[in-house]
Formats: sequence, structure tokens, C-alpha cells
Amino acid sequence: NAGVTQTPKFRVLKTGQSMTLLCAQDMNHEYMYWYRQDPGMGLRLIHYSVGEGTTAKGEVPDGYNVSRLKKQNFLLGLESAAPSQTSVYFCASGQIHYEQYFGPGTRLTVT
Amino acid sequence: DAKTTQPPSMDCAEGRAANLPCNHSTISGNEYVYWYRQIHSQGPQYIIHGLKNNETNEMASLIITEDRKSSTLILPHATLRDTAVYYCIVRVGSGNTPLVFGKGTRLSVIA
Repeated sequence: NAGVTQTPKFRVLKTGQSMTLLCAQDMNHEYMYWYRQDPGMGLRLIHYSVGEGTTAKGEVPDGYNVSRLKKQNFLLGLESAAPSQTSVYFCASGQIHYEQYFGPGTRLTVT
Repeated sequence: DAKTTQPPSMDCAEGRAANLPCNHSTISGNEYVYWYRQIHSQGPQYIIHGLKNNETNEMASLIITEDRKSSTLILPHATLRDTAVYYCIVRVGSGNTPLVFGKGTRLSVIA
């Protein structure tokens, strides 16, 4: 039982490049989330999903897209990366909204 | 959802109880109090939650005042591994919206 895994762990992008971050969970959870965390800040919710095939916007959705084609996977896409998107990205899943299980994070640098 | 106020940082001696306060003076009757913590560079971890009664689990105790305008998370015997940022979150228990993380309290446990 791996819990929540994130791929990749680190990535450096040039401005304007695109990439997809993959989150996978093996706990059969309905809810999945993508957060970003900037230095010295708390987590901010980007997008979330309440079930397979559904997505919803969080606090800071601009510049990101998501998809939940399979229940166990939640993808976060950056179509045209900007330096302001340099951050640590955390994925989480849960069967109920208040108890979320987090992945180890992806450190993204956009130059 | 009601907002919360937490001190930015606190120190605690190893082996002593760590008492982390949270003010949520605008909390409404159907809103719960949740606590998470984030150890350096890791994803946050759920600790405990409550509505109006005091709660205890293997990690911590949660004391909520009678008027529910504030609460305290208690780590009874703090260890160095409890050094982390602690987040107090207030949210409607039956709501479909995810948790919103603030900046939290950085607890440093000192040997």
C-alpha cells in the first residue's frame, strides 16, 4: 500500500514549457486535491476532484488544468509555465473532505 | 468558512506539554475545528478534529472553549519530532468544500 505518490519529485522548466504532474493513490479515495506551497506560506488549493470524471477550481486555479479520468489518478497540467509557478506542489486524497492524505511533493522550478 | 488566528511561532521544551492556541471568534454552530501539522518538507498530516466536546487521540488532545470561539491543541509530551508547522482550520462538517490552510504556527521543540 503505497498511499499517495507523486511523479516527478523534482523538475526544472523553462518559461513557456509545458508539463504534467501525476498523482496516484491506491486507497480507493473519492476525493483528490492539488495544492501549491510557496516559501513561508501555507498551502493554497489549486484544483480538486470529488470523484472520477469531476474537477473543480480551488483558490488559485489560473494557469493550471486538471483531469481525473481514472479514480486513482489526478493530473495537474501547466500549459505554459511561468516563473510565478515555481513552487512545491502537493497532491492529497481522502474519502472524506477533512481527512486528507498527502503525497511527498514535487519541487518545480521555472526559469 | 470562519477564519482562524494562530501565533506565527512558539517554542516548547522537550518532554513538556505543547499548547497551541487558535482563535476562531466567528465560528458558526455547524463548523468543526480541524488540526493538521506539516513536518519540514513533507505533506501535511491530519491530527484531530472536533465540534464542541474535547477530543483526544493517540497524537493529541483538542480543547474547545464553551463558547467555541477558541481552541487549544495539546501535545502532552513534546518530542523533537513534533517540531512542525501546525494548522488550525475551521470548516462546515458536512460541506463539500475542501479545507483551506492558513499560515499556521511553527512549533519548535527544544532539547
